[in-house]
Amino acid sequence: DAKTTQPTSMDCAEGRAANLPCNHSTISGNEYVYWYRQIHSQGPQYIIHGLKNNETNEMASLIITEDRKSSTLILPHATLRDTAVYYCIVRVPAGNNRKLIWGLGTSLAVNP
Amino acid sequence: SAVISQKPSRDICQRGTSLTIQCQVDSQVTMMFWYRQQPGQSLTLIATANQGSEATYESGFVIDKFPISRPNLTFSTLTVSNMSPEDSSIYLCSVEPQGVNTIYFGEGSWLTVV
Repeated sequence: DAKTTQPTSMDCAEGRAANLPCNHSTISGNEYVYWYRQIHSQGPQYIIHGLKNNETNEMASLIITEDRKSSTLILPHATLRDTAVYYCIVRVPAGNNRKLIWGLGTSLAVNP
Repeated sequence: SAVISQKPSRDICQRGTSLTIQCQVDSQVTMMFWYRQQPGQSLTLIATANQGSEATYESGFVIDKFPISRPNLTFSTLTVSNMSPEDSSIYLCSVEPQGVNTIYFGEGSWLTVV
């Protein structure tokens, strides 16, 4: 079973920031938080991951709470092409149990 | 990152037949994963295919139904055997390049069984 919970769907206006929340209250100390997105009928696209510090790259920012029980993915200026299903996943970085376990994600609709 | 090519991208198959999906990576990777995504569902891991060892299958998936080959560090195949309409899914190949701690996905192979 997935170790994360996310809202089923969200809307965002084009050009505004999209803030996608994720709860992972049972996360272990060595588990990373990963975010992927899947645009309809395509393979999942890696966005960002982090352990406890906030992370930023050219696609998004990842804010992880101090207790690591939740995180938020921020798309700073959402465009119509950001419409996709966004998945939050926790994963250990090494060992035999490193597989990604996928939940149902958040379906983000960016509206003009 | 890694560039992952899957073939075929789409196919329509007759029930009872088998289809082999190919996955080619542009760099050598130790760990490769095969996923299935049924319509409207999330991704489910079928098996982990590491070069030089037998594939490790997840609960509910068996080698007779989904045989996997991993002949080298850049290539793998997944066969869907004796297909039924319930096998209609997107099948996804993914890899974890060494030292990257991130998994990357191919574009998927969309199979429809009629």
